[in-house]
Amino acid sequence: DIQMTQSPSSLSAYVGDRVTITCRTSQTIDIYLNWYQQKSGRAPKLLIYGTSTLQSGVPSRFSGGGSGTDFTLTISSLQPEDFATYYCQQSYTAPKTFGQGTKVEMK
Amino acid sequence: EVELVESGGGLVQPGGSLRLSCAASGFSFSDYVMYWVRQAPGKGPEYVALIGTATGSAYYADSVKGRFIISRDNSKNTLFLEMGNLRTEDTAVYFCAREMHGSGRRYFDYWGQGTLVTVSS
Repeated sequence: DIQMTQSPSSLSAYVGDRVTITCRTSQTIDIYLNWYQQKSGRAPKLLIYGTSTLQSGVPSRFSGGGSGTDFTLTISSLQPEDFATYYCQQSYTAPKTFGQGTKVEMK
Repeated sequence: EVELVESGGGLVQPGGSLRLSCAASGFSFSDYVMYWVRQAPGKGPEYVALIGTATGSAYYADSVKGRFIISRDNSKNTLFLEMGNLRTEDTAVYFCAREMHGSGRRYFDYWGQGTLVTVSS
């Protein structure tokens, strides 16, 4: 199985900060990397697929990049509604594994 | 509007069984590969099983193979997960999810609200 390692596991930031989360995979996955946001007690919500394509309705302050084994999710200006846990997921091969999550908390 | 609604979770003893359902609406259910994904408390999501469209080919995570069965009834727009020989480590919120694909990219674009399965004596 492809292992997904996110860093950091948690971070504290202010509203308005630029935040970057990293996801590293144990083998190359081309661009087949997705990002999800999850708020407490809710289902994950798709933010970005195919490394950098924004899902419909997702604010443009979210962006994704990378290829191969190293990927990033960036929030350009953190908003109050962005405090949540973020997960990366590879869709390159079965089983489609997820990272352990990055919790973004308010400083 | 696309909607996925799970049901059937609950408290069950180790070794017991449960049947989860996921009622789909707002899209052509038979055209989509469907998944069960679970999330243990404080952990990331974990793939459990998937089922194909027309032929209903099924695939499972190693952790549930031989104990769980995924199925679908396209006439009733419903996805199922039969869970047997349950273990304490199966305790999790179980989500059904729709897999979307385009230009080679695959992703879960819609998820249900989840149903909690607790395996405990």
